[in-house]
Amino acid sequence: EVQVVESGGGLVQPGGSLRLSCSASGFTFSTVAMHWVRQAPGKGLEYVSTISSHGASIYYADSVKGRFSISRDNSKNTVYLQMSSLSAEDTAVYYCVKGLVEQPGWNDAFDIWGQGTMVTVSS
Amino acid sequence: SYEVTQPPSVSVSPGQTASITCSGDKLGDKFACWYQQKPGQSPVLVIYQDVKRPSGIPERFSGSNSGNTATLTISGTQAMDEADYYCQAWDSSTVLFGGGTKLTVL
Repeated sequence: EVQVVESGGGLVQPGGSLRLSCSASGFTFSTVAMHWVRQAPGKGLEYVSTISSHGASIYYADSVKGRFSISRDNSKNTVYLQMSSLSAEDTAVYYCVKGLVEQPGWNDAFDIWGQGTMVTVSS
Repeated sequence: SYEVTQPPSVSVSPGQTASITCSGDKLGDKFACWYQQKPGQSPVLVIYQDVKRPSGIPERFSGSNSGNTATLTISGTQAMDEADYYCQAWDSSTVLFGGGTKLTVL
């Protein structure tokens, strides 16, 4: 079964940091791009970040650029999202998503979604 | 910056055809994808590259994309199709999601 499982969410104070992990199984991890998408409570989907199959291409939404860092370890079938300088606006469920293709872009899609991990930024 | 826009809500009677639109400047020049999200669940990809259905997605889901509008069409809508639907497209190296459309089957 193809699946991705997020972990690492929780409660963090404003200005703090958190690292999310996403463990993948059931597919050849090193052949597809991986993405993070978030959803604030009661709101729509918001794109966060993307990393290509071998990490050569990395993209960020403007809202997280300079604060978040995406990485992957193909030997562990895991993708990470390092988040820093967190604010209340970052409170959301964070979804790890498998892409369809190796190099993200015009023909990629968000194929398989994890169950999400909740990040709450509050004092 | 590029944006894609969806109607907030669409209503349809069971068995009828539902159409959900997604509008953006020259959207037809990009690939559109559609996601279904039911309450308390993660989104599910239902259409990608404008017209393709992932395995396991019923044939009643179809897509089109031309000009400035992409459309998700659900034929013979069932009660189980009631959900939020999001369109998505790539613009250069970033991703745009529409605001979502709540489909009500009544």
